[in-house]
Amino acid sequence: QSALTQPASVSGSPGQSITISCTGTSSDVGGYNYVSWYQQHPDKAPKLLIYDVSNRPSGVSNRFSGSKSGNTASLTISGLQAEDEADYYCSSFTTSSSYVVFGGGTKLTVL
Amino acid sequence: QVQLVQSGAEVKKPGSSVKVSCKASGGTFSSYAISWVRQAPGQGLEWMGGIIPIFDTTNYAQKFQGRVTITADEFTSTAYMELSSLRSEDTAVYYCARDPVNTMVQGVIVFFHHWGQGTLVTVSS
Repeated sequence: QSALTQPASVSGSPGQSITISCTGTSSDVGGYNYVSWYQQHPDKAPKLLIYDVSNRPSGVSNRFSGSKSGNTASLTISGLQAEDEADYYCSSFTTSSSYVVFGGGTKLTVL
Repeated sequence: QVQLVQSGAEVKKPGSSVKVSCKASGGTFSSYAISWVRQAPGQGLEWMGGIIPIFDTTNYAQKFQGRVTITADEFTSTAYMELSSLRSEDTAVYYCARDPVNTMVQGVIVFFHHWGQGTLVTVSS
C-alpha cells in the first residue's frame, strides 16, 4: 500500500481537462510544499512535470499545472492530447523514516 | 546536458547481491546528489535512498536499511547502488536520478529531474 493515495485511473477526451488527486497526511503533503508529479510512458523512465507543488521545470508544457489544498495535492492537465496518455505519479517529502514517498500511480486514458 | 547511463540488466539468485552503476555526464559531479528509485513490474515507484557526493552523506528508506549501500566515485562520476540478501520481491527496474545539491530538503533530494534509463534486476532461482 502506497503512502500517498491516487485514483487508479482517470480518462478524458482530447481537448478536455482532467485532474488527478494525491492525498496524504500532515506529515507529508499537508505539512510541506514539496509535492512533485511525474509522467511515465510504458517502458520509459519517469519525467518530472511539477515540483514544489506548482513549479514547472523548463521545457514542460504549461498545460500541466499543480496545486495543493490541505492534505491533497492535484495535477491538472488541460487541453488533453493523445500523447498525454500515460501513468502519473505524485510524490512528497515526508517526516517518516522514508524521507520521500510516492503515490500508487494513476493511469490516464485519452478517449 | 545532464545524462545518466546505467549498467545492464542482471539476473541474480535469491540471497545474493547486485550492484548497479550510474555514470553521470554534464555538469560537475560533486554539485549533484544521486537518488535511487525502483519500480517492480506493473507497480509504482519506490524511493530507496540517495547520496550527496560532496558531503559523502547517504540517506536510506527505512525499508532498505541494512540491505542497501549507495556509494559514489567522483573520479569516474559514477554512483553505485548495491542491494544484498536479494529476494524475488526485489525484481524491479532500478533507476538513478540526479539533481542539484541546492534543491535538497533536510539533506534529501525531494524531486527527481534527470533520470537514468533504468536497470532491470531479476531475482530468480
